[in-house]
Amino acid sequence: DADVTQTPRNRITKTGKRIMLECSQTKGHDRMYWYRQDPGLGLRLIYYSFDVKDINKGEISDGYSVSRQAQAKFSLSLESAIPNQTALYFCATSEAPSTDTQYFGPGTRLTVL
Amino acid sequence: DQQVKQNSPSLSVQEGRISILNCDYTNSMFDYFLWYKKYPAEGPTFLISISSIKDKNEDGRFTVFLNKSAKHLSLHIVPSQPGDSAVYFCAASARDYGQNFVFGPGTRLSVLP
Repeated sequence: DADVTQTPRNRITKTGKRIMLECSQTKGHDRMYWYRQDPGLGLRLIYYSFDVKDINKGEISDGYSVSRQAQAKFSLSLESAIPNQTALYFCATSEAPSTDTQYFGPGTRLTVL
Repeated sequence: DQQVKQNSPSLSVQEGRISILNCDYTNSMFDYFLWYKKYPAEGPTFLISISSIKDKNEDGRFTVFLNKSAKHLSLHIVPSQPGDSAVYFCAASARDYGQNFVFGPGTRLSVLP
């Protein structure tokens, strides 16, 4: 079984809708991350969490929110989706310290019409 | 302005030959660098790392070279195999400052049989 799972794997939604992307991990890592990938821009950090009570904004947090429900679960929400949030979203985990290797989930392809 | 650049969006190499993927960075505080490989429909997976105290790190067919004065690193794959065909991301962090990784836009490598 995969160590880092993401649901859904693909989602098409309409402008203005609220959507939640979920991430679960069995690696026992404290640190979890959400990234988005856009063509020509690589992966950009949206939010990250170092433990259950810790939430930090990344490079591009506007329009997104997160919830760290448990050590193993980290959800990303788009409160009111817009077309330029169409992207590939990745969840990742790492052991402390944060600069160690990150382990990525398979990604969620989100399309906002 | 991108702090981590991979100026070649794509690269084609014949099987058995050397593949050289390049990465340039602008932030002189970066002191730890990773390369990730990504196959379609999968998340990135860690390939190799290098700390700024070294100028070379080798792992099997993969070698990363770091030139701090030029703010440049490169990944060499010798010999290249068709299974190496993937997108390669360079990532950098200012580890001593506890900063998160910054990713380059990626280079798509195609190894031709």
